[in-house]
Amino acid sequence: QLRLVESGGGVVQPGGSLRLSCTASPLHVNVLHWVRRAPRKGLEWVAAIAPDAFSKYFADSVKGRFTISRDNSKNAVYLQMSGLRVEDSAVYYCAREAHSSGYAGAFDVWGSGTVVIVSS
Amino acid sequence: DIQMTQSPSSLSASVGDRVTITCRASHDINIWVAWYQQKPGQAPKSLIHSASRLQNDVPFRFSGSGSGTDFTLTISSLQPEDSATYFCQHYNNYPISFGQGTRLEI
Repeated sequence: QLRLVESGGGVVQPGGSLRLSCTASPLHVNVLHWVRRAPRKGLEWVAAIAPDAFSKYFADSVKGRFTISRDNSKNAVYLQMSGLRVEDSAVYYCAREAHSSGYAGAFDVWGSGTVVIVSS
Repeated sequence: DIQMTQSPSSLSASVGDRVTITCRASHDINIWVAWYQQKPGQAPKSLIHSASRLQNDVPFRFSGSGSGTDFTLTISSLQPEDSATYFCQHYNNYPISFGQGTRLEI
């Protein structure tokens, strides 16, 4: 059974940066997503990256501040977060896409999450 | 962008009950809906994709239906372990979005 493992969360001041990592084996054939859940809120899709790392997609709330990348040789996907805001505080999950509409996809496997707290 | 409106926001039921959660999409999204279950302190669990297809190892008491703009998740005979928050998700195109969630208390 595939397991996704996130790391890199922590406490950061507003305006600061963090890089989250998600690793598992194998990942190179799947679109990978980041999804977050803030305290007392619902799930929010954040970003996605295609297997070839060419196509990338972002939620409007993070566009221009977050970037997504992957290193298939390391079976890893990264979420580089900059210009962090208090409202970015959340548990961040990576998720594997397994079912596609041809444009976007549904997930079958989720990581256990990593906590990001943005606070002064 | 497509919005997913989920109802009810919370629900209380008893073991053995049949419950239904609904999601309405702001645009026609064919069958491109998934449902997820999340328990406190845990990662989401994938239940259903393509509106009605169960993920592996999901109990048959869970079922999904709908197409176009209206979708439902039904749990036919509630078990204590079904207490959780449930989310619908559309994946017709980007940006993907989730419903607000339904908190189910048993």
